[in-house]
Amino acid sequence: GAVVSQHPSRVICKSGTSVKIECRSLDFQATTMFWYRQFPKQSLMLMATSNEGSKATYEQGVEKDKFLINHASLTLSTLTVTSAHPEDSSFYICSARDRRGGSETQYFGPGTRLLVL
Amino acid sequence: DAKTTQPPSMDCAEGRAANLPCNHSTISGNEYVYWYRQIHSQGPQYIIHGLKNNETNEMASLIITEDRKSSTLILPHATLRDTAVYYCIVSNWGNQFYFGTGTSLTVIP
Repeated sequence: GAVVSQHPSRVICKSGTSVKIECRSLDFQATTMFWYRQFPKQSLMLMATSNEGSKATYEQGVEKDKFLINHASLTLSTLTVTSAHPEDSSFYICSARDRRGGSETQYFGPGTRLLVL
Repeated sequence: DAKTTQPPSMDCAEGRAANLPCNHSTISGNEYVYWYRQIHSQGPQYIIHGLKNNETNEMASLIITEDRKSSTLILPHATLRDTAVYYCIVSNWGNQFYFGTGTSLTVIP
């Protein structure tokens, strides 16, 4: 399988500050990456689709000005939570689309746990 | 929205086969069935996917019914490390994944 990394693995920040989370595909190029959020004891919820070189596509109800996504290269997408508040505390997970070998699969990163105080 | 239905929880004895069902009665002709699992506080791990034929890899087997309205993930010899939440997802190539609530599998010693 392919490897996707996320940094940082966990972050604590004060309310009102911004936090950037990086998602990297380590051994393949990904023109498309996805960002999810997961609250305790719940399933993953898709937030947005990140496309290399173009604007991200956000799911209904996700504020694009609050969750800024940049996909500047074929191996890196970033999610910035702007003016974070305690209700933004969650587990953020990215995935990258792998199209090698004539098949298509998404591989997920290990997740970033965000705690906003 | 998720297009799959899975039982919320299942138990399996260690060493026995774990058979996890998934209902996807509204699947369209070009949608694949994907299976992932998530161990607590980690990102989902890819297991297997298929279109209409049965598939097998080193982790599991995927059995898709002829009408494609349901599938079963088979872990042939469950171990304690297979305890996780298992998600069944249907999606076209290139499209987003919408996760359902999954099945929490507990492997019992």
